[in-house]
Amino acid sequence: AQRVTQPEKLLSVFKGAPVELKCNYSYSGSPELFWYVQYSRQRLQLLLRHISRESIKGFTADLNKGETSFHLKKPFAQEEDSAMYYCALSGRMNTGFQKLVFGTGTRLLVSP
Amino acid sequence: KAGVTQTPRYLIKTRGQQVTLSCSPISGHRSVSWYQQTPGQGLQFLFEYFSETQRNKGNFPGRFSGRQFSNSRSEMNVSTLELGDSALYLCASSVEPSGANVLTFGAGSRLTVL
Repeated sequence: AQRVTQPEKLLSVFKGAPVELKCNYSYSGSPELFWYVQYSRQRLQLLLRHISRESIKGFTADLNKGETSFHLKKPFAQEEDSAMYYCALSGRMNTGFQKLVFGTGTRLLVSP
Repeated sequence: KAGVTQTPRYLIKTRGQQVTLSCSPISGHRSVSWYQQTPGQGLQFLFEYFSETQRNKGNFPGRFSGRQFSNSRSEMNVSTLELGDSALYLCASSVEPSGANVLTFGAGSRLTVL
């Protein structure tokens, strides 16, 4: 079964500090991994996906298959980064179809 | 182009009642997924429809059901409501079935069960 674990419910940092939101996954196959973000009073939206290997809003995430992790990082946090962040994994089920499974989310709070 | 539209946005029901939520995907998107969002559990997958067929189903009781119409619009129904069904129900659409495809989410339908 596929599972996504985000161990921190809340991460509080000061503006300018580095940020790392942790995400670990459990999946026997080759996963597709995503980070979605929900800003206050906005819809849940894609932040980045591992196959793109790009930096969005200064955030990066590297898939580490050995540690089964996909941590989200940013060297210098900004107040506008405050939001709820969800890690998600796409894997193939027994049905043969893929399903997107989300972690429980981490709330990032960046203080001035 | 218009985003994913969910109706109603807010509703209050009492235990034992049933509710139907509607989702209109982005034009051209044929896959619709439903999620239940709660503070403690995050996003829990309910089901996914593609071309009017249910492709995947999450671990929810049979009281939760859904369907998709030929125009890709989808509805989900919850019967015999319980207090624990209070949540934000999110619908998301994608061009092809979810997985490697990016989901576009609606604003959600917030259900309160009294």
